[in-house]
Amino acid sequence: DVVMTQSPLSLPVTLGQPASISCRSSQSLVSSDGNTYLNWFQQRPGQSPRRLIYKVSNRDSGVPDRFSGSGSGTDFTLKISRVEAEDVGVYYCMQGTYWPKTFGQGTKVEIK
Amino acid sequence: EVQLVESGGGLVQPGGSLRLSCAAFGFTFSRPWMYWVRQAPGEGLVWVSRINSDGSSTNYADSVKGRFTISRDNTKNTLYLQMNSLRAEDTAVYYCARDGFDIWGQGTMVTVSS
Repeated sequence: DVVMTQSPLSLPVTLGQPASISCRSSQSLVSSDGNTYLNWFQQRPGQSPRRLIYKVSNRDSGVPDRFSGSGSGTDFTLKISRVEAEDVGVYYCMQGTYWPKTFGQGTKVEIK
Repeated sequence: EVQLVESGGGLVQPGGSLRLSCAAFGFTFSRPWMYWVRQAPGEGLVWVSRINSDGSSTNYADSVKGRFTISRDNTKNTLYLQMNSLRAEDTAVYYCARDGFDIWGQGTMVTVSS
């Protein structure tokens, strides 16, 4: 199985400041169709996961533009340009290129 | 509104059974693959099972293989997870999700304890 490794696992941030989460895969996520199936999810306390980003850098409808995704191959990043209080929660990356699909361990974002 | 609504969770003794349901609304349920994902208390997300559009192909995580059965009824727009021989380590919130993971249900809690 493809192993997804996130860092850091805990991220205290100051309101209004940027935040960045790294996700590395144990093998390249470039699919045979040329796409890279790397998603980012946000899970607020007590809520279901919500997809924020699909195929590395595409924001889902309704996702604020302060969230952005980048990367290629095995290294990926989720950035929040200016953290707001509603961004508190756990963020997961997930690869969808290989079966079984696998998630990172999660990064807990909290306000300092 | 596009949504998934799970039901069927609860408290069950080790060795017991439960059947989870996931009702789909607002999209053509018969088209996408569907998934079950679980999250143990305080832990991360783990894929459990998936099923193709017509129910003819299924896959399971090794931890549940032989004990859990995924199925779907496209006439009722409903996904199921039959869970047998439950163990304490199956305790988790169980989510259903549409292929692409753009739509998730609210989750249903399964607690296996004596």
